Amino acid sequence: ETGVTQTPRHLVMGMTNKKSLKCEQHLGHNAMYWYKQSAKKPLELMFVYNFKEQTENNSVPSRFSPECPNSSHLFLHLHTLQPEDSALYLCASSQARGDNEQFFGPGTRLTVL
Amino acid sequence: DQQVKQNSPSLSVQEGRISILNCDYTNSMFDYFLWYKKYPAEGPTFLISISSIKDKNEDGRFTVFLNKSAKHLSLHIVPSQPGDSAVYFCAAIGVNRDDKIIFGKGTRLHILP
Repeated sequence: ETGVTQTPRHLVMGMTNKKSLKCEQHLGHNAMYWYKQSAKKPLELMFVYNFKEQTENNSVPSRFSPECPNSSHLFLHLHTLQPEDSALYLCASSQARGDNEQFFGPGTRLTVL
Repeated sequence: DQQVKQNSPSLSVQEGRISILNCDYTNSMFDYFLWYKKYPAEGPTFLISISSIKDKNEDGRFTVFLNKSAKHLSLHIVPSQPGDSAVYFCAAIGVNRDDKIIFGKGTRLHILP
């Protein structure tokens, strides 16, 4: 148990659906991250939030929309995804942006049909 | 272009023997390196790290070696135990602490009974 939770753990959605992934951290951290892990590819950083402000968008398509209402919660809103977006989506947090150690949640396994 | 490379997708080691996981990097501006361990259905967890000012860091059964001239690092696990079966990710961070962590693709380690 790393102190970072993600829901749902598994999600299957059609290309026209709208869904949201949720991440919550109970560590008092100020930075939160979304990563994507596709098969046989390195972990890819998608977004970084520091004190609720987005500090990095790593050229992510607009069909992925993050939201950080407070330092403990991070959402990833999904809309009109493509089958190639099927992947494991991992949330992480760290005390501050740039901290070497990040704490990861268990991930959401997303399948887009 | 991959900046952090783990060229072995998988590795099998007999229980009790030494496991050696390798990682190469291309960016000479990386100065901090981490290893993460990931079990199925869980997020990666931090295992051990090393700063570029060192060439070795040890923590119990885990030792990380860094060869800066070769841009190579390795994780040694000795003795290997069944619970070490997991995917191991090598990661690197640049001199600027705001830089993102760059992950390798991971190596799946199987500990054989």
